[in-house]
Amino acid sequence: EIVLTQSPGTLSLSPGERATLSCRASQSVSSSYLTWYQQKPGQAPRLLIYGASSRATGIPDRFGGSGSGTDFTLTISRLEPEDFAVYYCQQFGSSRYTFGQGTKLEIK
Amino acid sequence: QVQLQESGPGLVKPSQTLSLTCTVSGVSISGTNYYWNWIRQHPGKGLEWIGYIYYSGNTYYNASLKSRVTISLDTSKNQFSLQLSSVTAADTAVYYCARSRITLSRVLDYWGQGTLVTVSS
Repeated sequence: EIVLTQSPGTLSLSPGERATLSCRASQSVSSSYLTWYQQKPGQAPRLLIYGASSRATGIPDRFGGSGSGTDFTLTISRLEPEDFAVYYCQQFGSSRYTFGQGTKLEIK
Repeated sequence: QVQLQESGPGLVKPSQTLSLTCTVSGVSISGTNYYWNWIRQHPGKGLEWIGYIYYSGNTYYNASLKSRVTISLDTSKNQFSLQLSSVTAADTAVYYCARSRITLSRVLDYWGQGTLVTVSS
């Protein structure tokens, strides 16, 4: 089973700053099947980035994804107040899904 | 508009079977382009994929839960269901149903709102 490790666990930043979130896989992951989600308290996760770098419908262009192999990154170029949430990476492989443990992005 | 809605008991006794249903609207669960998933989230924790079912009835489960999980389809009602047997307090979680879009990187693109299931006597 592929294990996804996200870092940092918590990221404290101010609105307007740039956020960089990491997702590292225990073995190589197909970029096609690397996805990022955003989750706010009391809500279901929301699809942000798929295929490692493609924004989902309606996602602002301040969100960007990159990476390949075992190292993937979610970048938020200029934080807006509504971006403070928990972010999860997820991969699909061998017909199964695994999630990272999440990064909490909090207001500094 | 695609919508998913979980339903079922919010309280289950230890050793019993947890049963939840996801009612889908706006799309047929008989379609070939989707998987139908269950995912859970322990209080204050991350997401754990439980398993999914395809329109054909093929199922895939998380290895850690496989011995206790059954996911099934009811195409006549456009619903799919989760059964988790021999539950303990460790199964207390918010349970989500979600759709995977096969033609878009297998993403989980639509989710239910989630339902909290508490295992307690």
